[in-house]
Amino acid sequence: DGGITQSPKYLFRKEGQNVTLSCEQNLNHDAMYWYRQDPGQGLRLIYYSQIVNDFQKGDIAEGYSVSREKKESFPLTVTSAQKNPTAFYLCASSSSGGNTIYFGEGSWLTVV
Amino acid sequence: GENVGLHLPTLSVQEGDNSIINCAYSNSASDYFIWYKQESGKGPQFIIDIRSNMDKRQGQRVTVLLNKTVKHLSLQIAATQPGDSAVYFCAEKDAGGTSYGKLTFGQGTILTVHP
Repeated sequence: DGGITQSPKYLFRKEGQNVTLSCEQNLNHDAMYWYRQDPGQGLRLIYYSQIVNDFQKGDIAEGYSVSREKKESFPLTVTSAQKNPTAFYLCASSSSGGNTIYFGEGSWLTVV
Repeated sequence: GENVGLHLPTLSVQEGDNSIINCAYSNSASDYFIWYKQESGKGPQFIIDIRSNMDKRQGQRVTVLLNKTVKHLSLQIAATQPGDSAVYFCAEKDAGGTSYGKLTFGQGTILTVHP
């Protein structure tokens, strides 16, 4: 089936640790995105990538890093520099020239 | 800065009623709007979209209306069902943006449908 796969669904992190969230898409989309969602809130853009080996900061990039070595993959690392990492993280993708963004099922990150 | 927001954070309706969810936007340069549905613990699902050169678009049981004069967007759901209970987000794209697909989201409206 075509779609966007995020893993893990649930992740617990100790303070001071880096964690990486995986995002894979088989939609042949050029652009990929990471959004953060806090309880009862809307989506805020962390990073986005329009093409392989290129990415740009979104509105809340501090404390996060990404890479785009393959078209299908856009992993997000939540570093220890992110002060409030507990949130729901959503990966998304869109086609070249396309406006509609399609989302994965999300990953819950909790700092313990 | 420019933003997209919602008039009503919550909406409760009876099954079978029609629902109207509203969204106000302030960026007059926006040329594309989307409505998403998000069920608890899941990613947002695309419902319907509309371009700024249109004022109405219909889908299956859903209609989106765009009023550019007052910068208002609405989602109408006909014969609302319990399965429609979710959070609904509007999102907009700036026509002058250099990044295709980069959207700005509103805060969302919680729709609750009572049997």
